[in-house]
Amino acid sequence: SYELTQPPSVSVSPGQTASITCSGDKLGNKYACWYQQKPGQSPVLVIYQDTKRPSGIPERFSGSNSGNTATLTISGTQAMDEADYYCQAWDSSIVVFGGGTKLTVL
Amino acid sequence: EVQLVESGGGLVQPGRSLRLSCAASGFTFDDYAMHWVRQAPGKGLEWVSGISWNSGTIDYADSVKGRFTISRDSAQNSLYLQMNSLRAEDTALYYCAKGFGGELLSHCDYWGQGTLVSVSS
Repeated sequence: SYELTQPPSVSVSPGQTASITCSGDKLGNKYACWYQQKPGQSPVLVIYQDTKRPSGIPERFSGSNSGNTATLTISGTQAMDEADYYCQAWDSSIVVFGGGTKLTVL
Repeated sequence: EVQLVESGGGLVQPGRSLRLSCAASGFTFDDYAMHWVRQAPGKGLEWVSGISWNSGTIDYADSVKGRFTISRDSAQNSLYLQMNSLRAEDTALYYCAKGFGGELLSHCDYWGQGTLVSVSS
């Protein structure tokens, strides 16, 4: 079965750039998306189709996808960005989530 | 405004059944794929099942295949998940999520608040 691998945790200082990776076999040949989930809340889509931002998502969120790795980049990270982040792709007709990355802003 | 409201969760004994519902509003329900995604306490997201706009394509995670059945009712603008032979490992918050397009192979652009299923004797 297809698997997506994320680092369990990433730390970043306020104002700096955070990068969260998502690895999977030939992931660059598929579309990847990213969700943000804050404690006690439902997931929110922040990036879809590798690089697109839904309306209402700040410009500091960006994405890329090439080779075996998709990357979510948060520029000028703010305290409000502290959350769990999940990548998602699909293989055949199965939707696959990464294990999630806890982003700490300190 | 898109709204997805799940219901039907609760405490159930192992081996028993439960039916989850998701009431959708704010968009043309018939045009979009729908998904169930679950999250066990303190764990990550796990896709459970998805159904295309016309129910022509349905699929399940291996962990629930043969036990769970997804369906949709356009007259009621509702999504359902029939869960049979429940196990302790099915304990989770179950989210209803709207697909971006009509087919399964897309991201989820809106999520409900979830309904909690607890399987325990």
